[in-house]
Amino acid sequence: QKEVEQDPGPLSVPEGAIVSLNCTYSNSAFQYFMWYRQYSRKGPELLMYTYSSGNKEDGRFTAQVDKSSKYISLFIRDSQPSDSATYLCAMTRGGSYIPTFGRGTSLIVHP
Amino acid sequence: EPEVTQTPSHQVTQMGQEVILRCVPISNHLYFYWYRQILGQKVEFLVSFYNNEISEKSEIFDDQFSVERPDGSNFTLKIRSTKLEDSAMYFCASSDDRGTDTQYFGPGTRLTVL
Repeated sequence: QKEVEQDPGPLSVPEGAIVSLNCTYSNSAFQYFMWYRQYSRKGPELLMYTYSSGNKEDGRFTAQVDKSSKYISLFIRDSQPSDSATYLCAMTRGGSYIPTFGRGTSLIVHP
Repeated sequence: EPEVTQTPSHQVTQMGQEVILRCVPISNHLYFYWYRQILGQKVEFLVSFYNNEISEKSEIFDDQFSVERPDGSNFTLKIRSTKLEDSAMYFCASSDDRGTDTQYFGPGTRLTVL
């Protein structure tokens, strides 16, 4: 079983839709969870960072962590065509600063 | 806004040749990283660098790889004898603290080994 699993998609939604992106993980040692956005031919850009179970909101983005189920989610409200990108989940073990990435989910928001 | 820059954007080389990938981290950052992403696969950590020495490296970072900070601004990744499987995007990142919430990635160098 891979440490971090993420459906590569693509996920295609109409503008204005609520998007749900998910990752599962197998290693209980992961304590810090991140979501990155990566546009084509660009480096990853950190969107959200959280370390506790529950929700964290930032504008249209909400990160959700369920440590008991080893499941994390990123919700995007009122999605825009500019949100079209690949979304990478990443997580680190306690005491480490090196993230383990998921494969990324390609999101397409069409007008 | 400060950003990490990388050169070249695309490097084509013959198998067995040496390549040097260059990065200019954000100026006040202290920690530097290299990652790679093979096409269609996940981003993988290679090495981290702090205070002029390697602080952590992955299994991928074998003797064919080396890193250097030759001056106060550049951070380089050298691959001594490239292999076909080294073809990937290589990302440099930097941070001002040892927290993952502050790693800023560059745009990447696409390395193609023929």
